[in-house]
Amino acid sequence: DTGVSQDPRHKITKRGQNVTFRCDPISEHNRLYWYRQTLGQGPEFLTYFQNEAQLEKSRLLSDRFSAERPKGSFSTLEIQRTEQGDSAMYLCASREAHTGELFFGEGSRLTVL
Amino acid sequence: AQTVTQSQPEMSVQEAETVTLSCTYDTSESDYYLFWYKQPPSRQMILVIRQEAYKQQNATENRFSVNFQKAAKSFSLKISDSQLGDAAMYFCAYRSAAIWGNEKLTFGTGTRLTIIP
Repeated sequence: DTGVSQDPRHKITKRGQNVTFRCDPISEHNRLYWYRQTLGQGPEFLTYFQNEAQLEKSRLLSDRFSAERPKGSFSTLEIQRTEQGDSAMYLCASREAHTGELFFGEGSRLTVL
Repeated sequence: AQTVTQSQPEMSVQEAETVTLSCTYDTSESDYYLFWYKQPPSRQMILVIRQEAYKQQNATENRFSVNFQKAAKSFSLKISDSQLGDAAMYFCAYRSAAIWGNEKLTFGTGTRLTIIP
């Protein structure tokens, strides 16, 4: 499978715990995006990378959130001291350079108890 | 800031019939892109169709076509000959065409499409 893959697909955690999600983009895509989708809503932009550089961050990305893409390949999104409001689907996407089309992963669903 | 509005939370259509999903947006920009994405249950979001604002011709992809009305800021999706596999959430999305600092897609809240056999 050469699509965008995300891991884990589901994560249940207790409030206050840290969680980390991983995204492996399509290998030749240099841009990678993180979105958050809550129930009944469309995805909301969190941040994006061009290669290893994080070029834009949403105001939604509080200081408890950190994203990295250390070698310009896979990316991680860490949430520290999780809160119930963090419960959502976290979507990763990578972008095809020529057409600009975004290819999404299946998402990582976070439930904070 | 740009906003995208989908006023139909749910729609249903008989198999083989035609359905139109509505989308309006608000922007002060003149150059941008509009998209329709499909999100099947428990599956990843995929691009259905894309429209560049500078193009007057409406985009078409097989059974999917759009009605882009730039002055009215309207961007509806028409699905012809609806099939069971079309059942999904459909999201309308906007992206600025500016070069820097406008990489994000702004999504609407979605329309859940049900296909009636």
